[in-house]
Amino acid sequence: NAGVMQNPRHLVRRRGQEARLRCSPMKGHSHVYWYRQLPEEGLKFMVYLQKENIIDESGMPKERFSAEFPKEGPSILRIQQVVRGDSAAYFCASSPSIGGVGGTNEKLFFGSGTQLSVL
Amino acid sequence: GDSVTQMEGPVTLSEEAFLTINCTYTATGYPSLFWYVQYPGEGLQLLLKATKADDKGSNKGFEATYRKETTSFHLEKGSVQVSDSAVYFCALSDTGDDKIIFGKGTRLHILP
Repeated sequence: NAGVMQNPRHLVRRRGQEARLRCSPMKGHSHVYWYRQLPEEGLKFMVYLQKENIIDESGMPKERFSAEFPKEGPSILRIQQVVRGDSAAYFCASSPSIGGVGGTNEKLFFGSGTQLSVL
Repeated sequence: GDSVTQMEGPVTLSEEAFLTINCTYTATGYPSLFWYVQYPGEGLQLLLKATKADDKGSNKGFEATYRKETTSFHLEKGSVQVSDSAVYFCALSDTGDDKIIFGKGTRLHILP
């Protein structure tokens, strides 16, 4: 029973390049969350998606960042024209149902993260 | 907006010492409260949770009590082990909200 899979584990990009981070949720999970962890800071919520829908993107920067969760395949977090300040660990989490966090059976399952380094 | 504040680390203790990691929160509704743990090189794992005032969450010898009057959810363990070395995150999910808001994390080092 594979957990949440993120790849790559480490990604190095030069300024101005594009970064694509992938997340495959746990089997049977249809809800995906992306978080960013900057050095010396906690995890900051970025976006919450269900299959083919963005539910809450209140934590996403207005420019250069986008996320999708297609009907088939993994969720993708895309960062265009990366800058040094984008260097961080990006974590994906999945949950099995709506209200998966506030309900009585909630659990958020995290992947091991992608460490993005921008040179 | 909602927020979580937890004590800064690192916290260094000897094996078998008593552990407290303080956590306070601000929320507009009636949140569920969580502690997550992150071991080196891994993602976060749910350690324990409490969904209403006066609930006590417990797991692996850790426990935390939801205190509405002091808006706190302090993590405690009576006797820590070297294997407890990790980063601990306090978190909340507010009423009707599907996302979790995390504190900055507290790094714990246990010395043998």
